[in-house]
Amino acid sequence: DTGVSQDPRHKITKRGQNVTFRCDPISEHNRLYWYRQTLGQGPEFLTYFQNEAQLEKSRLLSDRFSAERPKGSFSTLEIQRTEQGDSAMYLCASSFSRDAGYNEQFFGPGTRLTVL
Amino acid sequence: EDQVTQSPEALRLQEGESSSLNCSYTVSGLRGLFWYRQDPGKGPEFLFTLYSAGEEKEKERLKATLTKKESFLHITAPKPEDSATYLCAVHRMNYGGSQGNLIFGKGTKLSVKP
Repeated sequence: DTGVSQDPRHKITKRGQNVTFRCDPISEHNRLYWYRQTLGQGPEFLTYFQNEAQLEKSRLLSDRFSAERPKGSFSTLEIQRTEQGDSAMYLCASSFSRDAGYNEQFFGPGTRLTVL
Repeated sequence: EDQVTQSPEALRLQEGESSSLNCSYTVSGLRGLFWYRQDPGKGPEFLFTLYSAGEEKEKERLKATLTKKESFLHITAPKPEDSATYLCAVHRMNYGGSQGNLIFGKGTKLSVKP
C-alpha cells in the first residue's frame, strides 16, 4: 500500500496524559499536513511541513501541541497534558507541490483520540 | 474572512434519483477547489480539483463544476455505494505567508436508499 499511513488508528487516554501520533506520507511527497476533525465538522488545519521545515501553524495549535518532521519523511504530532476537548480524529495528509498553486492533498485513515 | 458553506447538510435519495450538492465559498483569491468523499471512521478520499470558473470534471456518476462563487457536485443515477459525506475545500492565494492549508466546509451527508 503506497498511501498515507497513520499509527495508531485508535488511542484512548486519560486526561493529563501525553500522546504521540505518527504519520508516514506518500514517499515522493514533499509536503505533510496535520488536520483535526470533530463529529459533524470538516477537517480543520493544524500545521504543515515542506520537507523538514514547519512552515505554518494554526491558532488551534496550542502550546500543548508539537509536531516534527525530522528528516523530511515521517512526522509525529504530540499532545501534552491532554484535555477532554482534544478528543477528535487527527488526520494527516501529504502532497507533492512544485509551487504554492498545486496542492492536491491525499489523506491517511486518521487516528481517533478519546480522552477520558 | 474565508468561508466555505455546503448545502444541504444531509440529503436522502432513492437509488437512481439524480441530484446536486452545493459548495459556496468566500475566499481571497481562489487557487483551487477540491471535492473529497469521506466514509464513516475513515480519512477523506480525493475526488476532484477545479482551478478556474467554467471548469468541469467527471468520474463515474459524479460531475463537479465551478463558478466564481460556488461549485456543484452532480450525482447522476446514484447507487447505495455512493452513500458518504462529501466535503468541499478551497486553497487560497498565498497572502501573509499561508501556502498550504485547505479550508473545508462541514460536508453534505448523502444517503442513497435501494
